[in-house]
Amino acid sequence: TQLLEQSPQFLSIQEGENLTVYCNSSSVFSSLQWYRQEPGEGPVLLVTVVTGGEVKKLKRLTFQFGDARKDSSLHITAAQPGDTGLYLCAGTYGNNRLAFGKGNQVVVIP
Amino acid sequence: ETGVTQTPRHLVMGMTNKKSLKCEQHLGHNAMYWYKQSAKKPLELMFVYNFKEQTENNSVPSRFSPECPNSSHLFLHLHTLQPEDSALYLCASSFPGQGGNEKLFFGSGTQLSVL
Repeated sequence: TQLLEQSPQFLSIQEGENLTVYCNSSSVFSSLQWYRQEPGEGPVLLVTVVTGGEVKKLKRLTFQFGDARKDSSLHITAAQPGDTGLYLCAGTYGNNRLAFGKGNQVVVIP
Repeated sequence: ETGVTQTPRHLVMGMTNKKSLKCEQHLGHNAMYWYKQSAKKPLELMFVYNFKEQTENNSVPSRFSPECPNSSHLFLHLHTLQPEDSALYLCASSFPGQGGNEKLFFGSGTQLSVL
């Protein structure tokens, strides 16, 4: 059973458009992280959210943690080709265990 | 450049070969991890080392043998692998014990193909 479901699995958009991807679970997490992985590289941490309802912004990226700390979303405004990558969410649960989702593959076409 | 270096970047091996993956971190971290990333699957944690001691083995087959001689270096020794072991193997490091909010710093990975 997969702990974290990320949707959509694949998303292709034109440069300048907005997009939102989701990370959902039936489990409660003490914190949730978002990573971006570019082709041929390892994941790079973008943000950690801890409090239910928390919103964090990183330039054109907006991350939100659900009120019940079971889900999260990532919104990108005016996407750029440099935003292309695999976005991974990872939730901390139980005895400090970290579970990853399968990822949202985002392609931004120039 | 994340401060975590993995070698080799690519590896092709037969099922009877023995090879080793190497990871080195220059961040002063004391926790190091091996993850397996397969297509269309979540990252799978394999091993965790804290201060050179193995603190987690996530039911990994014995054909994968980790070694952590010091807090900066981590190896994964491979022998008699199966084709289904083909994947991207990622090393990561962090400061341990931050209440589950450890920030993982990943290397670029070793893309392994088992023929």
